Amino acid sequence: GEDVEQSLFLSVREGDSSVINCTYTDSSSTYLYWYKQEPGAGLQLLTYIFSNMDMKQDQRLTVLLNKKDKHLSLRIADTQTGDSAIYFCAESKDYGGSQGNLIFGKGTKLSVKP
Amino acid sequence: SAVISQKPSRDICQRGTSLTIQCQVDSQVTMMFWYRQQPGQSLTLIATANQGSEATYESGFVIDKFPISRPNLTFSTLTVSNMSPEDSSIYLCSVLPGIGGYTFGSGTRLTVV
Repeated sequence: GEDVEQSLFLSVREGDSSVINCTYTDSSSTYLYWYKQEPGAGLQLLTYIFSNMDMKQDQRLTVLLNKKDKHLSLRIADTQTGDSAIYFCAESKDYGGSQGNLIFGKGTKLSVKP
Repeated sequence: SAVISQKPSRDICQRGTSLTIQCQVDSQVTMMFWYRQQPGQSLTLIATANQGSEATYESGFVIDKFPISRPNLTFSTLTVSNMSPEDSSIYLCSVLPGIGGYTFGSGTRLTVV
C-alpha cells in the first residue's frame, strides 16, 4: 500500500536544530520531497532527494534518506521563528520509470519558541 | 521551475452552486494534478489531467462532481459541482516541470455556506 507517516507536532527553541522524520512504504519511489506550508499559504517546495542518494544539503536544510528502512528526515539548522509552519513529506508515485502524482504525509507542525 | 497562476484564491459559495477553478502554467507540461486539502488535513489527489484525454480520477472522486478540462499543455480547470459544506477545502493544482520538483499553485480556499 501507499502510506507516508510523520509525527504531527514538533516544538523547538529558536537557534536549536529541528529534525522532522518521515517513513514511507513505496520502495519504487524515485524522488522524495519536503514541502513547507505557512498558515493560509500554498505549498512551497523546500528540497527533494533522489532515491539513490543518502544525503542532500542545501544551506540550513539537510535531508537524510535511509532507503533500507524507508526513512526520510529533514534537519533545519539554527531554526528561526520564520520556520514555524507545517512540513509535508511526500513520495512520488512511480509509473513505469516516470513520476506520477505525489503521496503526502499528514504534515508536521513545527513551532519555534523565541 | 514552473510558475502557476491559480484563480480564484478564495471564494464563499452557496450550497448547490458550482465553482470553476483555473490554473495557468508558464510552460508546457504533460501532466497536471488536482489535490484537495480539507481543513487540518493533508493533500489528497483528486485526479490527474493530461492534455487530449479524459482525466483519471482517484477512488472517491467522480467526474460528475469534479469535472476537469485540459484544453492545452498550459491550462486546466477543475469544477466543484453542486457544492455542499463538506466541499469546503483548499483546492490546489500541481505540475511536474522538466526540472526541479513538483510546483503547486497558491491554492483556492473554498467555503460553502
